[in-house]
Amino acid sequence: ETGVTQTPRHLVMGMTNKKSLKCEQHLGHNAMYWYKQSAKKPLELMFVYSLEERVENNSVPSRFSPECPNSSHLFLHLHTLQPEDSALYLCASSLTGYSGANVLTFGAGSRLTVL
Amino acid sequence: EDQVTQSPEALRLQEGESSSLNCSYTVSGLRGLFWYRQDPGKGPEFLFTLYSAGEEKEKERLKATLTKKESFLHITAPKPEDSATYLCAVRASGSARQLTFGSGTQLTVLP
Repeated sequence: ETGVTQTPRHLVMGMTNKKSLKCEQHLGHNAMYWYKQSAKKPLELMFVYSLEERVENNSVPSRFSPECPNSSHLFLHLHTLQPEDSALYLCASSLTGYSGANVLTFGAGSRLTVL
Repeated sequence: EDQVTQSPEALRLQEGESSSLNCSYTVSGLRGLFWYRQDPGKGPEFLFTLYSAGEEKEKERLKATLTKKESFLHITAPKPEDSATYLCAVRASGSARQLTFGSGTQLTVLP
């Protein structure tokens, strides 16, 4: 167990469905991230939440909606997705504000398939 | 624009056959270069951070080195359990919490 827990691990949804991915970290970190990992492509940062700011990649479609109710929980709400959104979605956390910042701890990922 | 290129895409080694993975980067002011290991069905696991040219770090059979343009991950006498995808990422000045990742090198070590 890495300290970052993602649920569900696998999700199959139709293009008209609405679902959510959940991430929880037990490490006392103060920043959380959503990354998208597609085959043969680099990890793509989607969203960052930290004490100071929320950062989002402007190329992420609005059908992905993040929510971060507190420093330990992060959600990714999904609606009207497209087949090309099928990928592994990784949650990560880190401790910011010191030299070790950006040492990310990742969860095991949620494998999403859009039919 | 920050860029990270990893080579080769895939590497097959016999157990005990040492080799190196390459990570070439272009970044405006390097604030850190990171190596991660990713096993199938799992998220990436942190290995090393390097901050300046000439720096080296070691962990078991792995040694990471850094120059002004690239980093190498040297694997000495690998074992089958070293099989994984190795990811390289950089953080640039002005990108407080954003990393740019490479596509990874998939390493297979045959017994």
